[in-house]
Amino acid sequence: DQQVKQNSPSLSVQEGRISILNCDYTNSMFDYFLWYKKYPAEGPTFLISISSIKDKNEDGRFTVFLNKSAKHLSLHIVPSQPGDSAVYFCAASLRSSGAGSYQLTFGKGTKLSVIP
Amino acid sequence: EAGVTQSPTHLIKTRGQQATLRCSPISGHTSVYWYQQALGLGLQFLLWYDEGEERNRGNFPPRFSGRQFPNYSSELNVNALELEDSALYLCASSLFRRGADTQYFGPGTRLTVL
Repeated sequence: DQQVKQNSPSLSVQEGRISILNCDYTNSMFDYFLWYKKYPAEGPTFLISISSIKDKNEDGRFTVFLNKSAKHLSLHIVPSQPGDSAVYFCAASLRSSGAGSYQLTFGKGTKLSVIP
Repeated sequence: EAGVTQSPTHLIKTRGQQATLRCSPISGHTSVYWYQQALGLGLQFLLWYDEGEERNRGNFPPRFSGRQFPNYSSELNVNALELEDSALYLCASSLFRRGADTQYFGPGTRLTVL
């Protein structure tokens, strides 16, 4: 049973436009969410995170929105640049879990292609 | 500041052999996590070590094991290799119990089982 889902395997966007990557989760206990970017032959790179007590977090061109009632989060990249072309993974953790279970549960990723 | 390092970069083994993968965390990080990324799948959590102890493990058979050394580096061992163990193995580190649990990943070890 996949607890974190990224239903779009791929996304193509024109340079300069907005990229919106979506992620859904099923476990309502998740309280911390992260986005990672991964280039081929490299490990994932941390991009941005959000705690469940917030509904928005912004860092430069990257903004993450969290809708707890819908168990949905999204990553907005504005404006999109060719260098943003990569696979983006959504991840979630149980930060405040009594078991201290900090491992991340990942989605399968969305491959973003930004077309010049 | 050096990031997470992993060795070897590539590893080729045959079925039934054992594989040993190594990871050095970011200086000051005490937690090490291991993940498997098989072809077409997302990252699957394998093992989590902190302060030398195994804190949690994912849904993998016991032939996947590891340890963490006093300097916080870690080793992942895979015994009795099977073809489906071919994957990218990623190590991540974090500052555990300090409210800064974002994980930082190494470049991975590509294990190929023939």
